[in-house]
Amino acid sequence: AQSVTQPDIHITVSEGASLELRCNYSYGATPYLFWYVQSPGQGLQLLLKYFSGDTLVQGIKGFEAEFKRSQSSFNLRKPSVHWSDAAEYFCAVARSTGGGNKLTFGTGTQLKVEL
Amino acid sequence: GAGVSQSPSNKVTEKGKDVELRCDPISGHTALYWYRQSLGQGLEFLIYFQGNSAPDKSGLPSDRFSAERTGGSVSTLTIQRTQQEDSAVYLCASSPTSGSYYEQYFGPGTRLTVT
Repeated sequence: AQSVTQPDIHITVSEGASLELRCNYSYGATPYLFWYVQSPGQGLQLLLKYFSGDTLVQGIKGFEAEFKRSQSSFNLRKPSVHWSDAAEYFCAVARSTGGGNKLTFGTGTQLKVEL
Repeated sequence: GAGVSQSPSNKVTEKGKDVELRCDPISGHTALYWYRQSLGQGLEFLIYFQGNSAPDKSGLPSDRFSAERTGGSVSTLTIQRTQQEDSAVYLCASSPTSGSYYEQYFGPGTRLTVT
């Protein structure tokens, strides 16, 4: 079964600083990978996704992520964080083969932005 | 356009009562998912509907949980004889049948509190 690990439960960065949120997955084949963001009291919003092709993917709100097969990682990055980026971020994986597209989520990383 | 909607947004119920949670997916989306978000378990898959196919119920935690999808659109998640451990945010998501098939759009969730 696939699994996702987000090793950082909380991260605090200063506004304007760069950000990297870590995500490692376990899956036998090439997975479909996603990053979602959840603001307080809100549902999940898709930031970006990787299915195949270029391993560096661009998303909304200035976020990007890089798929590294050798490291089983899909880290999320942003060059300059804004105060409005404070939220919880979830990495997720879906099976690329077999039936069902259910997502397996990591435990999330809570991002705090200091002004 | 309209996104995924869920009702009610909050539900408080007494232990042992039955509850129904409703999800209205994005129009035209053939796939519908239910997830549960709780402090102890994080985000976990519950059930998945795809068109007229039999649903994937592999994530339902007990036989007290059931769901149906009428007319390929609205879905209702029913929890019978609620327990305190059922307290969580229940999220619904939908996705289209092609193209961004794996991209799931989430509703705002229903927060269930069992007292």
